[in-house]
Amino acid sequence: KAGVTQTPRYLIKTRGQQVTLSCSPISGHRSVSWYQQTPGQGLQFLFEYFSETQRNKGNFPGRFSGRQFSNSRSEMNVSTLELGDSALYLCASSLTLRNAGRNYGYTFGSGTRLTVV
Amino acid sequence: DQQVKQNSPSLSVQEGRISILNCDYTNSMFDYFLWYKKYPAEGPTFLISISSIKDKNEDGRFTVFLNKSAKHLSLHIVPSQPGDSAVYFCAARKTSGTYKYIFGTGTRLKVLA
Repeated sequence: KAGVTQTPRYLIKTRGQQVTLSCSPISGHRSVSWYQQTPGQGLQFLFEYFSETQRNKGNFPGRFSGRQFSNSRSEMNVSTLELGDSALYLCASSLTLRNAGRNYGYTFGSGTRLTVV
Repeated sequence: DQQVKQNSPSLSVQEGRISILNCDYTNSMFDYFLWYKKYPAEGPTFLISISSIKDKNEDGRFTVFLNKSAKHLSLHIVPSQPGDSAVYFCAARKTSGTYKYIFGTGTRLKVLA
């Protein structure tokens, strides 16, 4: 089965611009989570969506937002980009909110590498 | 406030020997833990998990140990292989309330041939 697809793979933006990243979960998965990975900070939780509703939100400023569509595809948006937003943004999908182990398939995409200059 | 900590940013081990990766957490409400492996330019892949009702879980060469009283878990890889060279993340979650996973900062394992 197709995995989690994130587009684009690489992105270069200028400070002050905005950016939209896309994530298509595994077919049948209804939960999508977003994480930011930076050196030394590990994976920082951004938000989680289930059935088009944001269920959880991490400690990121309001410049970071997201949404989920009826087909479970999700987008995240970052407005007024700052240099510190440069990171790898990872999306993970799972069948439901609870399931994350091997049998339930909490699966990450390859990420979008965002560079802000 | 880093609730899940991996204090060793890197680890080097000889091929065939045991690799031990450590993870500490501060929230006693966490009751489900996972390890993920990440290669460069790829997303993390699930490795092994453990519930707080257990203290050990094995899957082939990988074993995770959980010490609830010490709020500590460890991943043992025996024997270590060059293909195991990657960044390893531990993650924790509490079943009640929100379901988000809190990840550690990762440990880069290098297995030397």
